[in-house]
Amino acid sequence: EAQVTQNPRYLITVTGKKLTVTCSQNMNHEYMSWYRQDPGLGLRQIYYSMNVEVTDKGDVPEGYKVSRKEKRNFPLILESPSPNQTSLYFCASKVWDFDNEQFFGPGTRLTVL
Amino acid sequence: GIQVEQSPPDLILQEGANSTLRCNFSDSVNNLQWFHQNPWGQLINLFYIPSGTKQNGRLSATTVATERYSLLYISSSQTTDSGVYFCAVGHNNNDMRFGAGTRLTVKP
Repeated sequence: EAQVTQNPRYLITVTGKKLTVTCSQNMNHEYMSWYRQDPGLGLRQIYYSMNVEVTDKGDVPEGYKVSRKEKRNFPLILESPSPNQTSLYFCASKVWDFDNEQFFGPGTRLTVL
Repeated sequence: GIQVEQSPPDLILQEGANSTLRCNFSDSVNNLQWFHQNPWGQLINLFYIPSGTKQNGRLSATTVATERYSLLYISSSQTTDSGVYFCAVGHNNNDMRFGAGTRLTVKP
């Protein structure tokens, strides 16, 4: 089954404790992206990657890091999480070029205490 | 960047009613998608529709790119249609801008 998977799905952590949210897709998509969703704001892009070793900032990259060492994986790293990073996070992927449908993972609900 | 506005922000319907959700955007786009976020938070692709009209069962969508808007029609609504509907657009780059969503509640 073609899909985007994320782990963990739920995470409660404390301020300053480094964490990684993994994202993997099995559709051989070049493009992958991370979004966060906060109440009343829709989804906002954090980082995106157009291919292996190519990443770029989205609208809200502060406090996050990403890496793209393999085509199928695009982990999101929070080096020192803070309470304002409590949010619902989505990973997405699509074929590279502009006009293609984007597919989303199931979401990761993160709480930083 | 592109601004995306969705209306109405909230909509309450009785089961069986029809509805129209609107998405306005501020610049030309070559990528537009409609999503349904269910009560469990999952984003479900409804339509990829940068222009034209598509239908899928009780749902249909129309995008008039030259006038910078898209409409999502839901006919004979069911309680399972409840959730938040998002419009997302993209223009000549690889980021997509989301609207704030329309929260739909369908009452039995």
